[in-house]
Amino acid sequence: KAGVTQTPRYLIKTRGQQVTLSCSPISGHRSVSWYQQTPGQGLQFLFEYFSETQRNKGNFPGRFSGRQFSNSRSEMNVSTLELGDSALYLCASFHRGNPTDTQYFGPGTRLTVL
Amino acid sequence: QKEVEQDPGPLSVPEGAIVSLNCTYSNSAFQYFMWYRQYSRKGPELLMYTYSSGNKEDGRFTAQVDKSSKYISLFIRDSQPSDSATYLCAMSASGGSYIPTFGRGTSLIVHP
Repeated sequence: KAGVTQTPRYLIKTRGQQVTLSCSPISGHRSVSWYQQTPGQGLQFLFEYFSETQRNKGNFPGRFSGRQFSNSRSEMNVSTLELGDSALYLCASFHRGNPTDTQYFGPGTRLTVL
Repeated sequence: QKEVEQDPGPLSVPEGAIVSLNCTYSNSAFQYFMWYRQYSRKGPELLMYTYSSGNKEDGRFTAQVDKSSKYISLFIRDSQPSDSATYLCAMSASGGSYIPTFGRGTSLIVHP
């Protein structure tokens, strides 16, 4: 089974620009979550999508948005970029299973805002 | 005070040692407790997943949860240099979806 893939792996943008990141979950996984990881704040939950619907949202401003497509692929968008948005953005796919649930992270997209 | 506290380390141990990694938390609603391992420049990998209090063992790894003390631990037996990574604890109040609150992570170095 292919793992979680994220594109692009690295991105450099300037303040005020917007960016779109993409995530393809493991086949059969319908839940996709996004996280932001920074040295200062650690790993923080952004939002979760399940069957094309946002099921949960973390405490981030409205500049951060996302969506999920019918094939479970997900995108997140950050508008009006700020220097503080520089981070590793991680996507994870989740499957509720028997006997255990499984969750797999992608390698992340490293975003640098100049 | 953060909801989940974790000593960032680094924790340096010799190969073969028993490693103890710990987290404390303040939210009594947490019922699901996870440990992740993250190698440099990689995404986290779910190692252990525990519901409520008790112990869970998987190979060299043992996870313990003490809800009365709001304290969780991960033990690694016979540690190897390949175990060198950052270990993150995470907790969730609901099992219906995965919305963990993460600790900051402990950097572990196992030297030969």
